[in-house]
Amino acid sequence: AQSVTQLDSHVSVSEGTPVLLRCNYSSSYSPSLFWYVQHPNKGLQLLLKYTSAATLVKGINGFEAEFKKSETSFHLTKPSAHMSDAAEYFCVVTRDDKIIFGKGTRLHILP
Amino acid sequence: DARVTQTPRDKVTEMGQEVTMRCQPILGHNTVFWYRQTMMQGLELLAYFRNRAPLDDSGMPKDRFSAEMPDATLATLKIQPSEPRDSAVYFCASGSLAGGPYNEQFFGPGTRLTVL
Repeated sequence: AQSVTQLDSHVSVSEGTPVLLRCNYSSSYSPSLFWYVQHPNKGLQLLLKYTSAATLVKGINGFEAEFKKSETSFHLTKPSAHMSDAAEYFCVVTRDDKIIFGKGTRLHILP
Repeated sequence: DARVTQTPRDKVTEMGQEVTMRCQPILGHNTVFWYRQTMMQGLELLAYFRNRAPLDDSGMPKDRFSAEMPDATLATLKIQPSEPRDSAVYFCASGSLAGGPYNEQFFGPGTRLTVL
């Protein structure tokens, strides 16, 4: 069975400091992994995806994530937070015809 | 600029009424998803279609919800009868299977449903 756990429901960082949003997954086989972002009153937008190619995946808006099979993790990072990064972030795992969304992490950016 | 469209954007109705939400996927996409988002439950996958055939609707309450794709350009989600607990934002997303089992999902702006 597949599952995905986003370890923090809220994360607050100061503008200009690094961002780390944590995601752990459980899958019997090699999954596909995604990060989506949802800005207030908007639909979700893909940030990046991992589909068994390079383990370090670069996405839009300066975000990247590293697939670590040994740790079953797919954490999302950004070197320097911007006010416009304030949003909710979802980690997603898919395998065959199953799609599992994490509960989401709300990122707050402090001025 | 291809995008998923959803109508209506907002819907207020009374308990017991039928509600129909519509989605136009991006032209050429062969997979359509319906999600429900609430503060309490977060984002839930209700159902999805591939090539207009339902692939998984295990997340959808069968007694009152139904999802269909009458043609490749229209997906519908119906609630009959509606209940206050159905109040949520309903998102439609579409995607393409080209290049692998799953690729990016493109989300619509959502339909905000309020059932009084």
